[in-house]
Amino acid sequence: KQEVTQIPAALSVPEGENLVLNCSFTDSAIYNLQWFRQDPGKGLTSLLLIQSSQREQTSGRLNASLDKSSGRSTLYIAASQPGDSATYLCAVTGANNLFFGTGTRLTVIP
Amino acid sequence: GAGVSQTPSNKVTEKGKYVELRCDPISGHTALYWYRQSLGQGPEFLIYFQGTGAADDSGLPNDRFFAVRPEGSVSTLKIQRTERGDSAVYLCASSLAGTGHNEQFFGPGTRLTVL
Repeated sequence: KQEVTQIPAALSVPEGENLVLNCSFTDSAIYNLQWFRQDPGKGLTSLLLIQSSQREQTSGRLNASLDKSSGRSTLYIAASQPGDSATYLCAVTGANNLFFGTGTRLTVIP
Repeated sequence: GAGVSQTPSNKVTEKGKYVELRCDPISGHTALYWYRQSLGQGPEFLIYFQGTGAADDSGLPNDRFFAVRPEGSVSTLKIQRTERGDSAVYLCASSLAGTGHNEQFFGPGTRLTVL
C-alpha cells in the first residue's frame, strides 16, 4: 500500500523567509502528485498538480518539484507571508484515489 | 455550480443514530470521491464513483457505511448505527473523469460529531 510521509510535521519561520516542505512516497507508480493547502476547519485548496511525466510546476511564489524515481517531492515557498500560515498536504494519485500525507503545519510569524 | 458543495457543514448526532451526508460535485464531473479526515491526520479514501456506479469501495471501513450516486451527480454517504469513532471530517471531491491524471477538487467537508 502507498505510504506518504511529510517532513517536518510543523514549521515556524519569520515573515520573508524562503522555505521548503518535503514529501516522500513509497510506490513510484503514481499518476500525479498534488500539493494542497488546508486552513483550520476548512476543506482542501489545490495549490499545484504535477503529472508523473513532469519534473516541476510553478504558481506565483510556489514551486513544486517531483522526482518520481526516488519517491520525493518538495514544495518551495518564496518570501513567506503570514497569510501562508496553514497546513500543507501532499497527495499522490493511484488508480482510483489520492493517498495523503499527514501534512506540515506552517506558521509564518509577522 | 462554482465548486464542490457539501451539506450539512456540521452534524452532531448520538451514538447509534443514522446520518446522511450530501455532496454536490462540480457540474460535468463524472468522477466523485469520498474521504474521511480524522484530527491531525491526512484524508483517507473511502469510495470512488464513476458515473452512477461505485467503481472502488475498498476504503469503506465496515458495512455500516454506504454511499449512493443514483443519477451520476449528487452523492449521499450514509452511516448506520454511528459510533464515537466515526467522528471526523468527511470530504467529498470530484474530477472531470476517473483517470488518475485528473485533478481532484474538494468540497469544504462535513464535520461529524458522534456523542
